[in-house]
Order: sequence, then C-alpha cells, then structure tokens
Amino acid sequence: SQTIHQWPATLVQPVGSPLSLECTVEGTSNPNLYWYRQAAGRGLQLLFYSVGIGQISSEVPQNLSASRPQDRQFILSSKKLLLSDSGFYLCAWSMTGFDSPLHFGNGTRLTVT
Amino acid sequence: SQKIEQNSEALNIQEGKTATLTCNYTNYSPAYLQWYRQDPGRGPVFLLLIRENEKEKRKERLKVTFDTTLKQSLFHITASQPADSATYLCALFGGYQKVTFGTGTKLQVIP
Repeated sequence: SQTIHQWPATLVQPVGSPLSLECTVEGTSNPNLYWYRQAAGRGLQLLFYSVGIGQISSEVPQNLSASRPQDRQFILSSKKLLLSDSGFYLCAWSMTGFDSPLHFGNGTRLTVT
Repeated sequence: SQKIEQNSEALNIQEGKTATLTCNYTNYSPAYLQWYRQDPGRGPVFLLLIRENEKEKRKERLKVTFDTTLKQSLFHITASQPADSATYLCALFGGYQKVTFGTGTKLQVIP
C-alpha cells in the first residue's frame, strides 16, 4: 500500500533563516505531488505541484521554491523566511489521472518568529 | 478568474439531522468534483468523488450531488453524529493535474 511521509511535524524558525521541508511517497511510482499551505482557520492554498521529476508548477509567487530530485521526493525550500510564511504545510500525492483523489501527509506546523 | 466557494464558514446542526453543505464554482468546467474531510491539525482525507455525468453519489450516510448547470455541488450527511464534526472541503481539478480546494465549511454536530 502507499504511504506518504512528511517531516518535521513542527518547526520554529527565526525570520531570515532558511527552510527545507521534505516529503516522500512509498508504494507507487510517478505520482503527482503537491505542496499546500493552510493559514490558521483558512482554506488550503496550492503552492506547487509536480507531474514528474524536475517538473514543478508554481501557483503563488513568493519566496518559496520546490524541487523534485527523485520520483517520489518533493522538497519545499526557502532561502529566507518571512513572518508571513507561518502556517500549516501539507504535502499530498495522487495517481496520474484526472480523477485520482489526493492523499495527504500529516503536515508541518511552521512558526516563523 | 477561477473560484471555488463554500458559502458557509460554519454550520451547527443537531445530532440526527441531515447536514447539507454547498460548494459553488465559477470559471471551471470540471469533469469531476471531490469532497474531503479535515480534522484539526491533520491533513484532509478523501471522502467522495463525483463525475460530471453522475447526478448523485452515495457512500453510507454521505450523499453528493453535482449540477454542472448551476455550477454547484451539495454534500449531505444524514443522521449526523458528533463524530461527523470536522471541516469539509470540496476540490476541483483545474487542468494539468492542478487541484484547487474551496475554503471549507466547519461542521459542528451538537448532541
């Protein structure tokens, strides 16, 4: 069966520090991968999605970036965090196809101080 | 621009009643629509998918309808229970594997 791992679960970082969040999927190949952010009490904002290695689509221009160095690995990065980057970051995967549901990780709670 | 609106931020309902949540969309021509449940501090969990040629889909106490003319989906939970309390999100495929979520409706089932 397929599983998704996302870490760390919580993170407190100072403003201006770098960020690296990692997500890996097991038990499937060539998944679609997604990064979402959820501010407190708000909906899910799509940040990046990827349909293959090296193929990243960005939805929101900001100081975040994403990379997919391996088929089942998706990394969210920042060189310098802003206070506004605080939030709940969720990684998700889906099978290739137009009607496949998304399967989410447990999320990373990021607090930028 | 494309929009997905769930027009109730919060919905309180008495246990045993039917909860009805609404998802409206604009500037989409979706082939399907999905509904998810999210508990506090957790990632959303997939519940149901309905295709454009399906007017209604059921799963246990859940029922989803999809009206592509009205550009609306309704999500019903019959015989609601306190354990159904959560935030419910609808999601649409916006092309090229991009999946966008609505703002969510927080359902509270009161015993």
